[in-house]
Amino acid sequence: QVLQQDSGPRLVTPSQTLSLTCTVSGDSITRGGYYLNWIRQHPGKGLEWIGNLYYGGSTNYSPSLKSRLSISVDPSQNQFSLTLRSVTAADTAVYFCARGPSYCGTGDCYTRYFQDWGQGTLVTVFS
Amino acid sequence: QAVLTQPPSVSAASGQTVTVPCSGSYSNVGENFVSWYQQLPGTAPKLLIYDNNKRPSGIPDRFSGSKSGTSATLAITGLQTGDEADYYCGTWDNRLSTGVFGGGTKLTVL
Repeated sequence: QVLQQDSGPRLVTPSQTLSLTCTVSGDSITRGGYYLNWIRQHPGKGLEWIGNLYYGGSTNYSPSLKSRLSISVDPSQNQFSLTLRSVTAADTAVYFCARGPSYCGTGDCYTRYFQDWGQGTLVTVFS
Repeated sequence: QAVLTQPPSVSAASGQTVTVPCSGSYSNVGENFVSWYQQLPGTAPKLLIYDNNKRPSGIPDRFSGSKSGTSATLAITGLQTGDEADYYCGTWDNRLSTGVFGGGTKLTVL
């Protein structure tokens, strides 16, 4: 498994902060050419891209989450993390980390495809 | 509301061929590479097709992808019961500056 997420479901209280970590194995997180992404899936729904980070470069966030979201990397642990502040019931979802090669076309640079996926973590926001 | 449009469901008999369409716009499908993902129940999505029509190692040649203008299509030939899953198309949107996915299509093998 290239990407390993924290095991087990998470229970978060409304208005609190959600933090998730994804560990990259078998490769250095500092190796260039890859975007590190977070994607979520609400219960019974489709995939929603949340944001990504390019090591040594920029981060991109979904406009709908930008004010509450941070994605960071810890090279010493070969991990990258998601922090989502002020959560509500609408943030209840399975959160996946995903990695893919970068591509710079005529517009933005972006994740060309999501090659490797973590197993997912169910996060429930519940009072 | 997904940015890319997919039918909620498709079905076909075992051994037959099914296609899954994915419709977008110039700023996403029209300008960027499309990829396809297979998600079996309770599991993470798995890369099926990348760069519009390329298969990762280990993906059978029964799965193929194509793109024309602002639409992409996933085709699956020789359907098997193990192909029953949700299928998603994905790409980048230059206008929104975000990754975007289709709403997903549930495949039923009759």
